[in-house]
Amino acid sequence: NAGVMQNPRHLVRRRGQEARLRCSPMKGHSHVYWYRQLPEEGLKFMVYLQKENIIDESGMPKERFSAEFPKEGPSILRIQQVVRGDSAAYFCASSPRDAGNSPLHFGNGTRLTVT
Amino acid sequence: SQQGEEDPQALSIQEGENATMNCSYKTSINNLQWYRQNSGRGLVHLILIRSNEREKHSGRLRVTLDTSKKSSSLLITASRAADTASYFCAAAQGGSEKLVFGKGTKLTVNP
Repeated sequence: NAGVMQNPRHLVRRRGQEARLRCSPMKGHSHVYWYRQLPEEGLKFMVYLQKENIIDESGMPKERFSAEFPKEGPSILRIQQVVRGDSAAYFCASSPRDAGNSPLHFGNGTRLTVT
Repeated sequence: SQQGEEDPQALSIQEGENATMNCSYKTSINNLQWYRQNSGRGLVHLILIRSNEREKHSGRLRVTLDTSKKSSSLLITASRAADTASYFCAAAQGGSEKLVFGKGTKLTVNP
């Protein structure tokens, strides 16, 4: 029973390029959350999705960032025209129900470095 | 906005000692959760305590919840070097579906 899979583990992009981060939730989980973590800091909520729907994107910057969770395939967090300030670890988590009522299962993250 | 705030920010103890971490939150909650993060890894869920519960145990972990003070504590008894990690509390506001994390307590257990 595979856990939450994120890829790539490490991603290096030059300023202005696009970054695509993938997350495959645990089998049977239809709720996906994306978080961002800076070194020595806690996790900042970005977006919460269910299959084909964005439920809450209140933590996501309005520009350059987008997320999707299609009917088939992984959830994707897309960052266009990356800047140095986007360098961080991005974590995906999944659950069978909303996080207000059940624990989240986390992947090991994608570490994005913008040069 | 930050729902949980952990205290202390860092804690260093010797193996065999107990470690206590505290968490305060701001609004009403359905439940409060504690997670652990080893360096460079994702978070691992430890324990969930519901708003109508006062105390919960899991192995060497003991969690308390005081809704009147909007606070929770995580106690790790008989600590081991392998307990070295960062510990986070997290909660969803009543009715919200998103989990908001604090900044964490960095625990170091010295052998």
